[in-house]
Amino acid sequence: GAGVSQSPRYKVAKRGQDVALRCDPISGHVSLFWYQQALGQGPEFLTYFQNEAQLDKSGLPSDRFFAERPEGSVSTLKIQRTQQEDSAVYLCASSPPGSGQISGANVLTFGAGSRLTVL
Amino acid sequence: RKEVEQDPGPFNVPEGATVAFNCTYSNSASQSFFWYRQDCRKEPKLLMSVYSSGNEDGRFTAQLNRASQYISLLIRDSKLSDSATYLCVVRSLGGGGNKLTFGTGTQLKVEL
Repeated sequence: GAGVSQSPRYKVAKRGQDVALRCDPISGHVSLFWYQQALGQGPEFLTYFQNEAQLDKSGLPSDRFFAERPEGSVSTLKIQRTQQEDSAVYLCASSPPGSGQISGANVLTFGAGSRLTVL
Repeated sequence: RKEVEQDPGPFNVPEGATVAFNCTYSNSASQSFFWYRQDCRKEPKLLMSVYSSGNEDGRFTAQLNRASQYISLLIRDSKLSDSATYLCVVRSLGGGGNKLTFGTGTQLKVEL
């Protein structure tokens, strides 16, 4: 597609419910990132994939958070037993091949985000 | 202490003013530096990279001081359309070499 597509755009969940957020990156982009942005804060790194390999998951806040990208394209971020503190916008970003240690971030394209509200 | 620190603002300036934002980072091994812009309820978008020698893009000038671990963004002749949050971003060699760390952002409001 033309851009990074995320769904749902808005999700309201009751505390304890499981949610799944989907990211469809730009076609051909090998790198995919998930970020969490709370109100009034900058995006916080959650995890990073290169193709289907999850190379860095150091930002996942707890074992309730799980991300996958089984075929190296679409990614899903799953949050189990949601808590109120999980309320945030979840941003997905992707970048094309060749965007490694030298030039990665300057071609990072973000999706519009999935806004999660946990009641 | 956060890895990337910015003054959250808001900075309220009249149209045509010059405004400067500052940012400090704590990881001396940081590799690359950027400014992103985020409009209200929108996703962040790359504004410009920051190079050691300093760089300019139209009305925007970015500076980097590695010794002081300090980054700046100068906006000249502010326009109403410059109103947004400006995010300072640092890239370090995390697990995949692509970990971006964002500051909390500095909010700019340009007024008539």
